[in-house]
Formats: sequence, structure tokens, C-alpha cells
Amino acid sequence: KQEVTQIPAALSVPEGENLVLNCSFTDSAIYNLQWFRQDPGKGLTSLLLIQSSQREQTSGRLNASLDKSSGRSTLYIAASQPGDSATYLCAVEGQGGSEKLVFGKGTKLTVNP
Amino acid sequence: KAGVTQTPRYLIKTRGQQVTLSCSPISGHRSVSWYQQTPGQGLQFLFEYFSETQRNKGNFPGRFSGRQFSNSRSEMNVSTLELGDSALYLCASSIGQGVNEQFFGPGTRLTVL
Repeated sequence: KQEVTQIPAALSVPEGENLVLNCSFTDSAIYNLQWFRQDPGKGLTSLLLIQSSQREQTSGRLNASLDKSSGRSTLYIAASQPGDSATYLCAVEGQGGSEKLVFGKGTKLTVNP
Repeated sequence: KAGVTQTPRYLIKTRGQQVTLSCSPISGHRSVSWYQQTPGQGLQFLFEYFSETQRNKGNFPGRFSGRQFSNSRSEMNVSTLELGDSALYLCASSIGQGVNEQFFGPGTRLTVL
């Protein structure tokens, strides 16, 4: 059964710092991996999707990488801003099993002005 | 292009009652998935519908059911509500084939008293 782990569970940084969020998964048989952000009490906003054949994707200040063989992904946020404060979730869509997306528990990011 | 919409946004029910939640996907999307989010368990997959057929099902009791209509709108129903069903219920839509980026709605907050 696929398991997704995100470390750290919470992170507090000063504004302007570059940071990395980590995601690991146990079964490398995936179609894709998707990063989301969630603001308190709200739905999920899709940030980046990396297909299993890709190594990375970039959108603005965000860069996500995928190493399928080792079961790891990172989300790099450059020049963090207070508006980046949210919970960041990664999710994998597996090739086997019945679950559509398997999510990690998230990393709660706080960017202090 | 309108996003995923969910109604109602908030619900308060009592134990033993039943509830129906609605999700309208992005125009052109044929797949709708449902997830339950709780502080303890995080995001858990309930089921996925594609072209009016249930394509995947998570590990939830039979009290949780769903359906999809010919216009791709989906409903989920929870019968005989329990206190533990209190959660944020999120639906996600996607094209359903190929690269399946998931787009989430704002969620329905269900409180069971």
C-alpha cells in the first residue's frame, strides 16, 4: 500500500529565505506526483504536477523535482513571502491499488515578515 | 473557465441523519473524485467516478456512496451519520484520461452533533 510522508511537519522562516519541502513515497510505480497548497479551511490549489517520466517542473518561484527510483520529491520555494504561508501537500497517483491520489500529511509553512 | 464548485459549503447534522453533498466539475472534465479531510487522518480518498461509473473506491464503509450524472456533476451521500463523519469533504475534477491533473473545489464542511 502506498504511503506518503512529508518532512518537516511545520516550518517557520523569515521572509526572503529560500526553502525546501520534502516528500517521500514507498511505491515507485506512480503515474505522477502533484504538489498542492491549502489555506486554512479552504480547498486545495494545484501548484505543480510532475509526470513519472519527468525530473522537474517549474512555475514562477516554485520548482518541484522528482526522483522516482528513490521515492522522493522536493518543492523548492525561492525568495519566500508572507503570502506563501499555507500548508503544502504532496500527493501521488499510483499505477496500482484503488486509491486515486494518496496524500502526505502536509508541511505547514509560516513565513514571517 | 469556472472552477470546481461544491454545495453546500457548510452543513450541521445530528447523528443518525443522512446528508447529500454536490460537486460540479470544471466544464469538459469527466472524472470526479471525493476525499475526506480530518485533522487526525489527513486527506483520504473516498471514490472516483468517470462517465457515470465508479472507477475507484477507497476504504470507507458502505454508508458512504456516490453517483455521477450524465453532465458529470456528482453527489455523495452519507447515511446514518456518526460523530466521526465530521470533516471537510473535498471533490476534485480532472479530464480523466492521460495526464490527470486534479483540481479541487472549496469543500463542504460537515459537522455532526
